[in-house]
This record gives sequence, C-alpha cells and structure tokens, in this order.
Amino acid sequence: SQQGEEDPQALSIQEGENATMNCSYKTSINNLQWYRQNSGRGLVHLILIRSNEREKHSGRLRVTLDTSKKSSSLLITASRAADTASYFCATASLPGAAGNKLTFGGGTRVLVKP
Amino acid sequence: EPEVTQTPSHQVTQMGQEVILRCVPISNHLYFYWYRQILGQKVEFLVSFYNNEISEKSEIFDDQFSVERPDGSNFTLKIRSTKLEDSAMYFCASSDGRTDTQYFGPGTRLTVL
Repeated sequence: SQQGEEDPQALSIQEGENATMNCSYKTSINNLQWYRQNSGRGLVHLILIRSNEREKHSGRLRVTLDTSKKSSSLLITASRAADTASYFCATASLPGAAGNKLTFGGGTRVLVKP
Repeated sequence: EPEVTQTPSHQVTQMGQEVILRCVPISNHLYFYWYRQILGQKVEFLVSFYNNEISEKSEIFDDQFSVERPDGSNFTLKIRSTKLEDSAMYFCASSDGRTDTQYFGPGTRLTVL
C-alpha cells in the first residue's frame, strides 16, 4: 500500500454514534495530520499529532498515533449530520524541516445519517 | 479568521492552452504549496515554494508547470500547454513555518477539453 492509506474507504453511521477510521503509512514521519473535505470543497485542517505524541484531543475528535505500527486513528464522537465528509490523513516526513510536503491517503468517506 | 483564497473557482480551457491559477495565501505565511486532486483520487503534492524559490517539486511538476510570487500577496501556478490529464482540482496551501499545519484554499476546478 502507499503512504497514508485510510481504512475503511467508506463508513455509514447514525447520528450520535462514534466514527472511527484508521490510517497506515510506510515511511518515518515528523507528524501526521487529519483533514476533512466536504464534497467538492477545500481541505479543512482538523488536528496534527507529532511523532513523539501518542494521543491528542480536539473537541469531539480523538487522534492516536502508533509509530511502531505506523498507524493512526481518528475517532469522531457523538457524530452529527454535519460531520458527513471525506477524511484524509496526511504525513509530513522531514524531521525539523519547515515547509514539509504532505503525502495524503485515499480518504474515508463518512456518511452520518440523521 | 484569515484564509487562503483561490481564483477562479472553475476554469474551462482547450487542450494546448495556457492557464494561470491564482492564490492569495494567508498574509504572514512564508511557505506556499500547490496540490492537485484528480476526480476520485488522492490529493497529490505538486510543488512547495519558500523565499522566492521552489524548495521541492514532484514528478508531476514537469517543464509545463511553473510557479511565481509576482507580488507580496499572490502565488500563481501556470500550466503552459494544458493536456486532458491536467483536469483536476488544484489546491493552494500555505503555512507559517512554525508548525507543519498547512491551510488550504477552496480549490480551482480545471477542466481541459
């Protein structure tokens, strides 16, 4: 698989349920970021987790990072219809280098049914 | 809240024509990027730009592509002779360099006929 592969590719849940999606990557990273994209729109930055961090929270979002397994998960708790979007993980590889390019995964399409 | 803007939102062009996609990054940011997303595919890195020069480019960014920061606010991507396979959504992004967070614009949908 390529750098930054999300799993599952698609997820359908009821409003109020939690949504969990995973991302795997292949090379060493400096940090991993999650982005949301509403259909046909731009990418909205959600959260960044550094390679020396294991877990991070932001509102209803919880991100974990396991560098030994080269994987990350994004949990959205108490989902809302407005959370319907595609979610992408993106990795930045160069340690300590500003201006890192991001390598994106294929994304998970999340549908939250009211 | 400051945001990255892009114009036009949609550009339709004939194969072989030149197009210029425009971006206004967040004003105090120092690093600028172009990415593209072909319909149904991943977001792909094209080029990064810092201190008025390209810092990194991908294999996609061949001689047909160029970037420029013509003034203190705009950042442009030029495709000299468009091909059908250049049809994609093109995203501009910027970062302040203190963190790796990149802020993306809404994109320009380029359709090459």
